[in-house]
Amino acid sequence: DGGITQSPKYLFRKEGQNVTLSCEQNLNHDAMYWYRQDPGQGLRLIYYSQIVNDFQKGDIAEGYSVSREKKESFPLTVTSAQKNPTAFYLCASSPHRDVTEAFFGQGTRLTVV
Amino acid sequence: AQSVTQPDIHITVSEGASLELRCNYSYGATPYLFWYVQSPGQGLQLLLKYFSGDTLVQGIKGFEAEFKRSQSSFNLRKPSVHWSDAAEYFCAVAPPKGYSTLTFGKGTMLLVSP
Repeated sequence: DGGITQSPKYLFRKEGQNVTLSCEQNLNHDAMYWYRQDPGQGLRLIYYSQIVNDFQKGDIAEGYSVSREKKESFPLTVTSAQKNPTAFYLCASSPHRDVTEAFFGQGTRLTVV
Repeated sequence: AQSVTQPDIHITVSEGASLELRCNYSYGATPYLFWYVQSPGQGLQLLLKYFSGDTLVQGIKGFEAEFKRSQSSFNLRKPSVHWSDAAEYFCAVAPPKGYSTLTFGKGTMLLVSP
């Protein structure tokens, strides 16, 4: 089955710790994206990558980092510099650099205590 | 920069009644337009999309949307709502062609009453 896999589904961390969220796709898509979702806020773009070894900041990149060493993988690290990291994180991919359609993973709910 | 407005935070519709969810966008040209649906704790599923051509677009699950350039709107409709349609709905836009990303509205939560 082709698709986007995010893991884990639920993640708990103590304040001050870095944490990495996994996103893997087997769709052979060029572009990948990370969004953050908070109640009543819609989805806000954190980072995106349209080609391997290249990525761009989105609207709320502060306190986050990413890498794109392989086409199928786009992990997101939530660092201790992120002031309010508790949220639902969604990864998406698109076949091409112009987003004619985005496919989403099932999300990771991160809770920082 | 493009933006998307979904004026209704919550909408309650009786099962079997018709539905219209509103979406207005701000962009210099006609963008790519999308509607997504999200069940609680899940990812987003694409309902339909519009790039160009016929302004009435058919999607999955019996949904349709109409693009109106004069009103900068892309409203989602369904003739008869089922209880399983209860979910959150997001309108999104992307610039046509070139490197681009999706910009989402804040969503409309649909509640279906018996």
